Amino acid sequence: DTGVSQDPRHKITKRGQNVTFRCDPISEHNRLYWYRQTLGQGPEFLTYFQNEAQLEKSRLLSDRFSAERPKGSFSTLEIQRTEQGDSAMYLCASSPETGELGYGYTFGSGTRLTVV
Amino acid sequence: KQEVTQIPAALSVPEGENLVLNCSFTDSAIYNLQWFRQDPGKGLTSLLLIQSSQREQTSGRLNASLDKSSGRSTLYIAASQPGDSATYLCAVPASNDYKLSFGAGTTVTVRA
Repeated sequence: DTGVSQDPRHKITKRGQNVTFRCDPISEHNRLYWYRQTLGQGPEFLTYFQNEAQLEKSRLLSDRFSAERPKGSFSTLEIQRTEQGDSAMYLCASSPETGELGYGYTFGSGTRLTVV
Repeated sequence: KQEVTQIPAALSVPEGENLVLNCSFTDSAIYNLQWFRQDPGKGLTSLLLIQSSQREQTSGRLNASLDKSSGRSTLYIAASQPGDSATYLCAVPASNDYKLSFGAGTTVTVRA
């Protein structure tokens, strides 16, 4: 397993179009996270899955955003009716159960979205 | 809510100089603290993970310390090289939480 994979690496879309990103986590990791990062800022939490269950969504995730993780494997993040404010780097990460010690996160290379 | 601050925001040093990057956080009840490196337009690469019970962690030229009670971590990079030029981010999950809170990062430039 080579780590967390994200596809595509870059996406340019016109305002109002729908886009979908994919994330393949490390196979042994049952936790999967989506973060969004704008220029000059640290990543911000969007949503979290444990296996196939989506357990939390940030208020940053408006109703135009939807995420799925069918069968607890890969995940998709869809943005409908994109707006210029959606332009950002979308990062996926995975981790095993944190337990008491707390395991680190592994991030993917990200998908850079530009809405024109 | 966990707040993470990184100082300085940017740093430029000549090659060979040691780097000191600071991270502070407001909620000391953390599981661990993770330092990441991010190259322009790229994802995050994990550098070091310090468990809450540890005081420091080392990997090659990198050393990270953690003082949980005062809410501080420091990343030291010895004998800097131009290839160390990147943005360095620290991140912490609060206790009993899984979400990472990030600082805005320190952008490092090492001049040859």
